[in-house]
Amino acid sequence: DTGVSQDPRHKITKRGQNVTFRCDPISEHNRLYWYRQTLGQGPEFLTYFQNEAQLEKSRLLSDRFSAERPKGSFSTLEIQRTEQGDSAMYLCASSLAPQETQYFGPGTRLLVL
Amino acid sequence: GENVEQHPSTLSVQEGDSAVIKCTYSDSASNYFPWYKQELGKRPQLIIDIRSNVGEKKDQRIAVTLNKTAKHFSLHITETQPEDSAVYFCAASKDYQKVTFGTGTKLQVIP
Repeated sequence: DTGVSQDPRHKITKRGQNVTFRCDPISEHNRLYWYRQTLGQGPEFLTYFQNEAQLEKSRLLSDRFSAERPKGSFSTLEIQRTEQGDSAMYLCASSLAPQETQYFGPGTRLLVL
Repeated sequence: GENVEQHPSTLSVQEGDSAVIKCTYSDSASNYFPWYKQELGKRPQLIIDIRSNVGEKKDQRIAVTLNKTAKHFSLHITETQPEDSAVYFCAASKDYQKVTFGTGTKLQVIP
């Protein structure tokens, strides 16, 4: 499968724990995006990278959230001190600039108890 | 920032009928408008997109129209089939940066 992949697909954690998600974009895609989707809503933008540079972060992204793309390939999204409100589907997408089309991964579903 | 509104939130049609979903956007600088289909528990998948220099685009049973002046764009699905049942999201973007999504339309095609 040469599409966007995400790991893990599901994560259950207790409030206050830290979690880390991984996204592997389509090979050669230089842009990588993170979104969060709650039930019944559209995906909400969190942050995006061009190569290893983080170009924009949403105001929704509190200081408990951090994302990295150290070598311009895969990316990680870490949530520290998780809260119940963090429960959501975390989606990753990638694109090859200057083409606009973003291809989504299957998502990581997070449940914070 | 950009704000995308989408209507209706739910839509039921008989198989073979047409379905229309409408969206408005707020940022006149937005220049790329994709539509995504999301089946239950699955990833959003691009079904059609349109750029601001084009007024209409068609791909088989799916068409999208864009009115830049009014900041409206719409998705038209003709000859609907049960497999068209899903949640559809419109979205807007500027210069291939972040995508702002609408709230989604749950389409049900009744056989």
